[in-house]
Amino acid sequence: DTEVTQTPKHLVMGMTNKKSLKCEQHMGHRAMYWYKQKAKKPPELMFVYSYEKLSINESVPSRFSPECPNSSLLNLHLHALQPEDSALYLCASSRGTVNNEQFFGPGTRLTVL
Amino acid sequence: TQLLEQSPQFLSIQEGENLTVYCNSSSVFSSLQWYRQEPGEGPVLLVTVVTGGEVKKLKRLTFQFGDARKDSSLHITAAQPGDTGLYLCAGLRSGSARQLTFGSGTQLTVLP
Repeated sequence: DTEVTQTPKHLVMGMTNKKSLKCEQHMGHRAMYWYKQKAKKPPELMFVYSYEKLSINESVPSRFSPECPNSSLLNLHLHALQPEDSALYLCASSRGTVNNEQFFGPGTRLTVL
Repeated sequence: TQLLEQSPQFLSIQEGENLTVYCNSSSVFSSLQWYRQEPGEGPVLLVTVVTGGEVKKLKRLTFQFGDARKDSSLHITAAQPGDTGLYLCAGLRSGSARQLTFGSGTQLTVLP
């Protein structure tokens, strides 16, 4: 299995809703990432998990809460989001080797009304 | 300030034409990766270059890493509509705790 899967593919939520994004990989990768991407812009790093521990939080607002239940799963819990949070949310994983090549999932297209 | 600048930002060409995308920085990178992203999908890794001056070929795509490991280029020969997408370079700096620095991106459209 050489892919990263993400669910749901599309999500529409109101500003008072609570929802979660899910990411799964079975490549034995020990580093997992959440990125936010606006249209035709590069991905912006949000969080990095290394060996199931949060190692990087790029000053992301607390309305985004990551969770890594085990080495294959990564969640992003969403609460009280703003319309400007609408974006493509990408999950990625890597072996964590010297070149740190990352494998990306297809993303969740999030719209906040 | 973008650490990795890509140029051009947008490129629209006819099928069969050649093109080059540039990725430039004032910083040294231990390795540099190129990704292609199609609409509604995540970026897909095309190649990793590691050694200064290195050239790698992937069918009609040629990637080069600068001698000083501060810049890279992607050359596409005889572009096809299937090459359409957002091309992203991403560099890894020594001591960056596995954090990739993404370039600003080049949106390529190849018209049939």
